[in-house]
Amino acid sequence: AQTVTQSQPEMSVQEAETVTLSCTYDTSESDYYLFWYKQPPSRQMILVIRQEAYKQQNATENRFSVNFQKAAKSFSLKISDSQLGDAAMYFCAYRGGAQKLVFGQGTRLTINP
Amino acid sequence: KAGVTQTPRYLIKTRGQQVTLSCSPISGHRSVSWYQQTPGQGLQFLFEYFSETQRNKGNFPGRFSGRQFSNSRSEMNVSTLELGDSALYLCASSAPQQGNYGYTFGSGTRLTVV
Repeated sequence: AQTVTQSQPEMSVQEAETVTLSCTYDTSESDYYLFWYKQPPSRQMILVIRQEAYKQQNATENRFSVNFQKAAKSFSLKISDSQLGDAAMYFCAYRGGAQKLVFGQGTRLTINP
Repeated sequence: KAGVTQTPRYLIKTRGQQVTLSCSPISGHRSVSWYQQTPGQGLQFLFEYFSETQRNKGNFPGRFSGRQFSNSRSEMNVSTLELGDSALYLCASSAPQQGNYGYTFGSGTRLTVV
């Protein structure tokens, strides 16, 4: 079974600085998708960024980018120019052949003004 | 375009009772998935429905069940509630063949069992 591990339960960063959230996963599949979701206090899970495993190029969405290392099974999220609105729980998720999302335990990100 | 709507937002039930939660997906989305979120276990997959058929099921007891209607709206039911069923239940929808582009989640139903 696939597993996703987020080793940082909590992270904090100063506003306008850069922060990187870590995620590793375990799978024997070669074709899969990886996601980062953000969950603010409103509880709704919001898709931040996605990465196809067959693409070597790292995905980027505005201030959010990933460092995808397939051989190392690592998928970290970098947030540049952190803003107060970025404060939330961040979840790394895996989707493979089982057609379901497998989530990590989450990282609580605090932005200090 | 309306998002994924889950009702009710909050629910308090007594042990032994049963509960039904509702999820209306984004218009045109035919796949609906359910997840349970607890502080201890995190986010766990319950089941997925596509075109009124359960396509996938997580590792939950038979007390947890669901269904999907012809308009893609989905309900999940938990019978004989236990204290451990207290959780945030999240519903997510995706368009056909587009689950790989990510799912759109609702704001969840917070269930408290007392």
